[in-house]
Amino acid sequence: ELKVEQNPLFLSMQEGKNYTIYCNYSTTSDRLYWYRQDPGKSLESLFVLLSNGAVKQEGRLMASLDTKARLSTLHITAAVHDLSATYFCAVAISAGGTSYGKLTFGQGTILTVHP
Amino acid sequence: GAVVSQHPSRVICKSGTSVKIECRSLDFQATTMFWYRQFPKKSLMLMATSNEGSKATYEQGVEKDKFLINHASLTLSTLTVTSAHPEDSSFYICSARDRGRSGNTIYFGEGSWLTVV
Repeated sequence: ELKVEQNPLFLSMQEGKNYTIYCNYSTTSDRLYWYRQDPGKSLESLFVLLSNGAVKQEGRLMASLDTKARLSTLHITAAVHDLSATYFCAVAISAGGTSYGKLTFGQGTILTVHP
Repeated sequence: GAVVSQHPSRVICKSGTSVKIECRSLDFQATTMFWYRQFPKKSLMLMATSNEGSKATYEQGVEKDKFLINHASLTLSTLTVTSAHPEDSSFYICSARDRGRSGNTIYFGEGSWLTVV
């Protein structure tokens, strides 16, 4: 059974600071997703990481994937209040075909950025 | 704009009644869609895989007779919560993968809040 674990689960940051959210998963997969969820809303896609060593950046967020370590990171640079949200990583089960749409989610990291 | 649309976004129903939630892929065909459930401040749990033209595949612990899934066309999957009870109150989200445009991106619907009173 695939397990996906995030840490920390709660993150309170000051504006301007940097921090990293970690996502570990238990079985082989080469597709890892990061999503953002605002309160009461659905998921917004942030990154799709497809291969070992993949790094993607968008604004103040950067995600990386190490498939050998089964670890992905989401790095936040110079946090601003607008980044406050819940962040989920999710792993696609590597069974090929339609199974790539089937995701197992981490617990989520609730990020609060304050002045 | 949204590429996967859900309706209704919010619904309140009485205990014992049934409620249907629709999930549509707007500009692509989705032979497979997925239904998730999310309790407040919790993560998303996969309920079932909806397969166009065939039976849905349910995850362990999900009652298939209670959560009826129909995927009658390449752009529409429906989830019907039958004989709803207050414990069924939750946020239900569907997703689909657009293999054509970008096979790696999985799109989520806006979600449907179900409250059973």
